[in-house]
Amino acid sequence: TQLLEQSPQFLSIQEGENLTVYCNSSSVFSSLQWYRQEPGEGPVLLVTVVTGGEVKKLKRLTFQFGDARKDSSLHITAAQPGDTGLYLCAGAKDTGFQKLVFGTGTRLLVSP
Amino acid sequence: NAGVTQTPKFRILKIGQSMTLQCTQDMNHNYMYWYRQDPGMGLKLIYYSVGAGITDKGEVPNGYNVSRSTTEDFPLRLELAAPSQTSVYFCASSYSAGQKRSYEQYFGPGTRLTVT
Repeated sequence: TQLLEQSPQFLSIQEGENLTVYCNSSSVFSSLQWYRQEPGEGPVLLVTVVTGGEVKKLKRLTFQFGDARKDSSLHITAAQPGDTGLYLCAGAKDTGFQKLVFGTGTRLLVSP
Repeated sequence: NAGVTQTPKFRILKIGQSMTLQCTQDMNHNYMYWYRQDPGMGLKLIYYSVGAGITDKGEVPNGYNVSRSTTEDFPLRLELAAPSQTSVYFCASSYSAGQKRSYEQYFGPGTRLTVT
C-alpha cells in the first residue's frame, strides 16, 4: 500500500497567521491533488499539480509539488476562519485507472 | 446538476443486519468509487467501477458488494453488518476518455453509518 503521510495532523491558529501543511511519500506520483473537506460534506478539489517543482496559487493558498514528485506542500497566507476544515492530499499513479491514494489529513482550525 | 447524491445521510444498524447505500450521479461520469473514512485514517477505497457492468475491488472490499447496472447508479451493499463497518461512506465519480484523463473526483455528501 502506498502511503501519503500528512503533517501536522491538527493545527489550531489565530486569524492572520501563516501555515504550511506537508504531504510526503516514498512513492512517485504522476499528479497530486489537494482537497478540502468541511464537516458533514464530501471533499472538494482545490488544485491538481502534475509537474515536478510546479507551484500553483489559489488566492492565499500556494501549492507546490516536489521536484521528485514524491511530496507536496500547501501554504496558507493570512489564514481566515473560512479556511477551517480538513485538508487532504491525494496522489495519482498513471496506471490507466484513476485511483487516488489519499493522505491521512490535516485538520485546520482558524479562530477569529 | 445535482452532482453526486447519496442516501441515506445517517443510519444505525444492528450487528448482522444488511443494507444498501445508494449513490447517483448526473454528470455522465464513467468512473465511480466508494470510499470509507475513519477518523485520522484518510479515505480508503472499497470498490470502484470504470463503467456500467464493470466493477473491481479496492483496498478494503471485505464485507461489501457493489453493482453498476447503469452509468448513473452505483449502490454499495453491506450484507452482514459488523461494528468494524462503522464509518462515513463517500461515493465519488470522475470522467476519463482516451488520453484525456482528469483525476478530479467529485464526492457526494456521505452516509454516516453506525453498527451496534
